Amino acid sequence: QVHLQESGPGLVKPSQTLSLTCNVSGDSINSGLYYWNWIRQPAGKGLEWIGRVYGSGRTDYNPSVKSRVTVLLDKSQSQFSLRLTSVTAADSGVYFCARDRVSGSPFEYWGHGTLVTVSS
Amino acid sequence: EIVLTQSPGTLSLSPGETATLYCRASQTVRSRYLAWYQQKPGQAPRVLIYGTSTRAAGVPDRFTGSGSETDFTLAISRMEPEDFALYFCQQYATASRTFGQGTKVEIK
Repeated sequence: QVHLQESGPGLVKPSQTLSLTCNVSGDSINSGLYYWNWIRQPAGKGLEWIGRVYGSGRTDYNPSVKSRVTVLLDKSQSQFSLRLTSVTAADSGVYFCARDRVSGSPFEYWGHGTLVTVSS
Repeated sequence: EIVLTQSPGTLSLSPGETATLYCRASQTVRSRYLAWYQQKPGQAPRVLIYGTSTRAAGVPDRFTGSGSETDFTLAISRMEPEDFALYFCQQYATASRTFGQGTKVEIK
């Protein structure tokens, strides 16, 4: 059974960098079959796809955050990470990691989510 | 970017009634690339329907997805207490994945 678990600071100061990690178990993060994604949800609002990385290390990002975001794969640790720079209060919310298939699928597996608050 | 617009924003129903949720896309979405999710408070979304009309494993047959091109529908017949939740549509036809803003189905 695939399991994803987010971790990282719950509080980040404005203008600083948000860094989160998603640990993957029960599956090979090296596989070229899957995308490894970050998705966020501001409190009481909808879902926003942030970006993804594949097994090759190639990435795709949401144009709305592309200038500030980096998603990286760490195959040795079976995890992938999110880095979002110059954060503001608008970046607060629950951050989820999730997996979908390169061949085309919905997000089949999700982490439980981690709450990040941007505040001084 | 494909924009998905869901309606209504909130649906108030009684158990046993039928819910009909709509998702309109700003451009054509090939039907195999449209999904519906259910989300309950404090939980991650759970996929209900993919490929417009295929139920995910374990999803009851009272959930039915349909539609094509730019207009998609999720129908939930005989609403059960556990069906009152937030629902999102999502397209995975393009590299930049997008979600609708959600429909909250609440108990009347």
